[in-house]
This record gives sequence, structure tokens and C-alpha cells, in this order.
Amino acid sequence: GAVVSQHPSRVICKSGTSVKIECRSLDFQATTMFWYRQFPKQSLMLMATSNEGSKATYEQGVEKDKFLINHASLTLSTLTVTSAHPEDSSFYICSARQSPRRGEQYFGPGTRLTVT
Amino acid sequence: DQQVKQNSPSLSVQEGRISILNCDYTNSMFDYFLWYKKYPAEGPTFLISISSIKDKNEDGRFTVFLNKSAKHLSLHIVPSQPGDSAVYFCAASQRSTSGTYKYIFGTGTRLKVLA
Repeated sequence: GAVVSQHPSRVICKSGTSVKIECRSLDFQATTMFWYRQFPKQSLMLMATSNEGSKATYEQGVEKDKFLINHASLTLSTLTVTSAHPEDSSFYICSARQSPRRGEQYFGPGTRLTVT
Repeated sequence: DQQVKQNSPSLSVQEGRISILNCDYTNSMFDYFLWYKKYPAEGPTFLISISSIKDKNEDGRFTVFLNKSAKHLSLHIVPSQPGDSAVYFCAASQRSTSGTYKYIFGTGTRLKVLA
């Protein structure tokens, strides 16, 4: 099956610093990648959709200047949390799809971000 | 505004019995639905999907039923096994303004299968 990896799996950073999370599709080319955020005991909240080579589309309420998303290649997307604050602490999950149309999304294992 | 709802946050079922997880949606434009299973600190894994042109899709122990008039879908697991214990999310497909299809997830139901 298709495999999506995320790095790092856990990160602790100080308030005011920036953190980059990588999402890679290991055995397929992902034209579309998604970034989600999950709060404890809550649903997966879609933050943004990125298509390779174009700007990400952010969901309403998500600050694009705070959560920088880059999808420079068909196998890599990055999420950078800039000037992190404790309220940014969360579980961030990426997913990838081969086509921008409907189809199965393959999820990464997630990254636990803790901002102190 | 929660367009996809799972009203039961948790469900306990005896091993070998049927597990029924429910999901309701409000947007009649949704035309593709999926169920995902998630363990703690891991990403969701795909279980089964259904197109709106169908009312049932079966894959092994998993069956998804879709009732478009009621805007309701359900996931049946028969027989339930302890390894099925996880959080189950339903998701509905929606076309975004960029033309990409994105999935809207429900709030999840934690299933516990008792041995």
C-alpha cells in the first residue's frame, strides 16, 4: 500500500521559534497533499490543501502567514509553524493523494508539536 | 458549523457481535463518503468508501450503508474483534474552490470491543 511519512514525529520548541514538519509520499507521486490539525478528543480539522507547484489553499480561519505550506515536489510537502505559541501545540497530520480528484487519501503518522 | 456529525462519542461491543457506527451529514452536495480508523498518536487508515450512487458497499467484515434521503451513513463491523478497538471517523467529499476534492471529517466514535 501507499506509505506517507512525517518527520519529526515529536517536537518541542520554545515560544517564538519556528518549526518545520515534513510530509513525504514514499512510493507514489502525490499531486495533492493535505494538512490537518487534531485537538484532543476532536475531529481532524483541515488546515490547507496544496497541489504540487502551486500555492496552498487555506481553510477559513487558518492564518497563512503563520502556517507556511510548501509543496515543491510530487513527494514532499512541508508545514512551517512560524513564531510558535503554546496554543499552536497540537497533533499535525498530513495526507497525500495521487489525484486532485476523489480517491483514497493516505495519511502520515502525525507530528506532536509542543510549544513551551 | 459541523457538516459531518458522529453523535456517539463512544461505543462498547462484545467480541463477536456487530458494531454499528453512525454518521450524519448536512450537505446534499457530498457525493463520496469514507470511513477511517485511527489509533492514538497515529494517522488514520482507510477502511471503506461509498459513492452516492450506491447504497451499500461491502469489504470483508466491513459494510457501509448510505441513506441519501436521510443524509445518513453507517459502518457495520461483523464480527467485531478486539483489534477493531480504535476511533472511527467518517468523512465526506466536497469540491473546494480550487477544484480539488477535500474531505470533511466527523468528530469520531471511539469503539471498544470487549473480549
